[in-house]
Amino acid sequence: GENVEQHPSTLSVQEGDSAVIKCTYSDSASNYFPWYKQELGKRPQLIIDIRSNVGEKKDQRIAVTLNKTAKHFSLHITETQPEDSAVYFCAASISTGNQFYFGTGTSLTVIP
Amino acid sequence: EAGVTQFPSHSVIEKGQTVTLRCDPISGHDNLYWYRRVMGKEIKFLLHFVKESKQDESGMPNNRFLAERTGGTYSTLKVQPAELEDSGVYFCASSRGTAWGNYGYTFGSGTRLTVV
Repeated sequence: GENVEQHPSTLSVQEGDSAVIKCTYSDSASNYFPWYKQELGKRPQLIIDIRSNVGEKKDQRIAVTLNKTAKHFSLHITETQPEDSAVYFCAASISTGNQFYFGTGTSLTVIP
Repeated sequence: EAGVTQFPSHSVIEKGQTVTLRCDPISGHDNLYWYRRVMGKEIKFLLHFVKESKQDESGMPNNRFLAERTGGTYSTLKVQPAELEDSGVYFCASSRGTAWGNYGYTFGSGTRLTVV
């Protein structure tokens, strides 16, 4: 089955700096890659996603890049703010199924 | 619209006891999923309902876990008897169409289960 690895497990950045979280996947059939943000005590929420026919997607301060050949995808957050502090999960999905394979999560702390 | 609701939010039980978790999906969402996150590890798939039918239960760890979705509305996940390794956060999610499609998942806030 699919195996998603996520790094780093923890990340601290100064407010205003950029943060990058990287994920790799093993199954070349995976073609949908969402990113979820979970704030303390709250539910995971979809913040951005990318499909395999696209190499990059941006939404204001967040962007996701996908390298299908290398089987890795990354989340980029620019001009970080304290409210970006949360646990971020990457995931991969295959179109023939409904199951998401998640990474182990990255705890991001933005230091004011 | 109301979100996915899970309760209880926390449960502490002794090893060998039974616990039942409940999930109320978003109204009209046929697809309902259960996931679990054991401390520090990935969020792992348990099973998937389409309406009242189990579409995929390949992630259920063993026969101590029983999930139901009678009438295709809310779902319950029963652990009987609970073991220490069952501790973790149990998430429920629902979606209108396939998760791969344009709808994605909406997660609940999770039930934190602690078995002592």
